[in-house]
Amino acid sequence: GNSVTQMEGPVTLSEEAFLTINCTYTATGYPSLFWYVQYPGEGLQLLLKATKADDKGSNKGFEATYRKETTSFHLEKGSVQVSDSAVYFCALIGGNNRLAFGKGNQVVVIP
Amino acid sequence: EAGVTQFPSHSVIEKGQTVTLRCDPISGHDNLYWYRRVMGKEIKFLLHFVKESKQDESGMPNNRFLAERTGGTYSTLKVQPAELEDSGVYFCASSPYFSASSGNTIYFGEGSWLTVV
Repeated sequence: GNSVTQMEGPVTLSEEAFLTINCTYTATGYPSLFWYVQYPGEGLQLLLKATKADDKGSNKGFEATYRKETTSFHLEKGSVQVSDSAVYFCALIGGNNRLAFGKGNQVVVIP
Repeated sequence: EAGVTQFPSHSVIEKGQTVTLRCDPISGHDNLYWYRRVMGKEIKFLLHFVKESKQDESGMPNNRFLAERTGGTYSTLKVQPAELEDSGVYFCASSPYFSASSGNTIYFGEGSWLTVV
């Protein structure tokens, strides 16, 4: 079945640091890939998406590239802000029309 | 345009009691989904409605969970009787499209946080 693996543990970093959250997936066929974000006290929001290999999704300074050869969709941001503190979920959707999520990573940005 | 709304936002109940969660999807969205995140684990699919019909309920954990969507508008998810392991966040989502595999957006609500003590 479809599954998503995110790197273990919370991520704590200083403001203006470079952020990377690793995400790899297992899926049959050609899934679409997503990053969702949950800010404190809010619901899940779509951050960015990519629907085919080599596509790059981007939003709010975040980027992720759909790498079919490595089955990865790592999230990056060059200079994080305190307001980026949130939980980030990698997800995919395939032919079964349901989202499969990773466990999420808590990101804490310290001023 | 209003987003997906869920009620209650937080609920604390005792083991053995009943809780009913409600979800109002975005107006006009035929597809409604329930997901849940048990603490520290992945967000997992529970079920998918297309209008009032259950398209896929394979993610429902057991028969203590009952979801309905009478009239194809709002949906309820009832847990009866609740157990400790049911604690978590229950997310509702909606989409205008059946096929999401092309990347069509699924819109999520803020979640209903359930604590069973």
